[in-house]
Amino acid sequence: QVQLKETGPDLVQLTQTLSITCTVSGFSLTTYNVHWVRQPPGKGLEWMGAMWNGGGTDYNSAFKSRLSISRDTSKSQVFLKMNSLQTDDTAKYFCARQGTEGTFDYWGQGVMVTVSS
Amino acid sequence: DIQMTQSPASLSASLGETVTIECLASEDIYDILAWYQQKPGKSPQLLIYDASSLHTGVPSRFSGSGSGTQYSLKINSLQPEDFASYYCQNGLSAPLTFGSGTKLEIK
Repeated sequence: QVQLKETGPDLVQLTQTLSITCTVSGFSLTTYNVHWVRQPPGKGLEWMGAMWNGGGTDYNSAFKSRLSISRDTSKSQVFLKMNSLQTDDTAKYFCARQGTEGTFDYWGQGVMVTVSS
Repeated sequence: DIQMTQSPASLSASLGETVTIECLASEDIYDILAWYQQKPGKSPQLLIYDASSLHTGVPSRFSGSGSGTQYSLKINSLQPEDFASYYCQNGLSAPLTFGSGTKLEIK
């Protein structure tokens, strides 16, 4: 069955770099797009960016040049890397599979990341 | 960027009632709109895609409608498991923006 699982640190220091891995199963990264979405505590959902099935990427300009998404298809993994973390980057980070059009039919359980000074 | 304005922010209702949540896009999104349900501590779950298509396994008491810039999610005969937060989402163009959410609580 389709599964996505995020792994990453619980705590990241201010101004440091966040790295999260999304490991997928039940589908191929060369067939489906995978997106990253985050949610600060008690707040709404924010789309961060996407890894397209063809290998290209797209980013929310709100993250300017801080964000990088990549993948390793042999390991069925998609990677998120974001630098210069600030306290308002404290959030739960989700990866999600794109189903029809631009909607997300399967989500990982998310990883809660706290940025600490 | 397409802005998604969702209302109300919170909603209190009783079991068995029918409720409607609205979502207004800042421009025409040609029905490329999704609705998600999220329970505390859990990931969002897709309910509706393409404005009115029910995702696999979603109960038929959930329905979506609308076109152009105005969309709505209707939940008939509220069940205990329906009390959660709901989000609309623009699926037409990046950034794939979400509404600010509606928290549905038991009255």
